[in-house]
Amino acid sequence: QQKVQQSPESLTVSEGAMASLNCTFSDGTSDNFRWYRQHSGKGLEMLVSIFSDGEKEEGRFTAHLNRASLHVSLHIREPQPSDSAVYLCAVNMGYKLTFGTGTSLLVDP
Amino acid sequence: EAAVTQSPRNKVAVTGGKVTLSCNQTNNHNNMYWYRQDTGHGLRLIHYSYGAGSTEKGDIPDGYKASRPSQENFSLILELATPSQTSVYFCASGETRGANSDYTFGSGTRLLVI
Repeated sequence: QQKVQQSPESLTVSEGAMASLNCTFSDGTSDNFRWYRQHSGKGLEMLVSIFSDGEKEEGRFTAHLNRASLHVSLHIREPQPSDSAVYLCAVNMGYKLTFGTGTSLLVDP
Repeated sequence: EAAVTQSPRNKVAVTGGKVTLSCNQTNNHNNMYWYRQDTGHGLRLIHYSYGAGSTEKGDIPDGYKASRPSQENFSLILELATPSQTSVYFCASGETRGANSDYTFGSGTRLLVI
């Protein structure tokens, strides 16, 4: 069964500084890897989906995937207080989307 | 616009009562899913469906049933609700296309069992 772990559990950064979040998974043959953002009490907003090793950029959000290392990261450029939220890593294999437990990001103004 | 709509948004139920959570999708996706979200656990898969008439057990199906009467609708049923089922429930629809899989999530249903 796919295991997805995220680190750190919580992260505080200053407005404008780069924020880096990490996710490790157990099966490198998974189809694709996603990052979602969830503001408090709200639903899931997909930020970026990646399936090839390397990086994929969507606006201020960049995902880096290394299947051999079983690692995918999310980097947020110039974070703003409105980016304060929980960030969820999800790994897709076949029909199934398996989630990590999330990183809570706080961006200080 | 294609969407996943959940109802109700909030629900208070009594222990031992029956609860039905409803989900409707306009994406014409074959697959539908029910997850619950609890602090420290992320989202966990309860039941899923490949199409009308099918339901399959996910990772934590105990205490839950599901029903998929049509392509558009997928319900989660708690026959005898317990306080441990207090959670936020998310419905999703999806198509599995390998690298280009597509998923859409609803806004969630907050369930409190007292």
